[in-house]
Amino acid sequence: ETGVTQSPTHLIKTRGQQVTLRCSSQSGHNTVSWYQQALGQGPQFIFQYYREEENGRGNFPPRFSGLQFPNYSSELNVNALELDDSALYLCASSLNSHNEQFFGPGTRLTVL
Amino acid sequence: GESVGLHLPTLSVQEGDNSIINCAYSNSASDYFIWYKQESGKGPQFIIDIRSNMDKRQGQRVTVLLNKTVKHLSLQIAATQPGDSAVYFCAEKIAGANSKLTFGKGITLSVRP
Repeated sequence: ETGVTQSPTHLIKTRGQQVTLRCSSQSGHNTVSWYQQALGQGPQFIFQYYREEENGRGNFPPRFSGLQFPNYSSELNVNALELDDSALYLCASSLNSHNEQFFGPGTRLTVL
Repeated sequence: GESVGLHLPTLSVQEGDNSIINCAYSNSASDYFIWYKQESGKGPQFIIDIRSNMDKRQGQRVTVLLNKTVKHLSLQIAATQPGDSAVYFCAEKIAGANSKLTFGKGITLSVRP
């Protein structure tokens, strides 16, 4: 166990809806990174938050947005869901932006 | 032991044999490499890492080798056990960037009893 928790475990939404996924980082970690993992693929970097500020973004459209709170927990929001957004969403926390990342178990999102 | 590149999705080995999983990376600016293990229904789990100023690093039953000349990374697992069955990913990080990790597609390791 990494001490990184995510909620919910599973989620089913319909196309066009909005979703919020949550991540609690490991104690003492100030950095959270979000990844999207499609079935049979490696995780793809969405963005990273370091001390409540976005600190790098991957090749994802603006309808993917995030937030980090003062306790360093984080949210991933996805608007106008599309079928291709169906994936496992992983969050990883690290001590600082350049340190080893510890992954949570992920949230499985299904868009119908 | 058997070796396979990431273009072949599955590696099957006999319990007790050594496993070798290979990975080719494309960005010569990458300076940090990690191997992750992902079991069904779980997030990736850190196995071992290596920085670009090293050629080899050993852990418990695992060894990572880095060949910067040909941009090749390998993970060796000694005395493979059924609990090693999982999907393995190599990941790279580019110097000077944030902690963005770029993952390969992954390979499934299946251990035969």
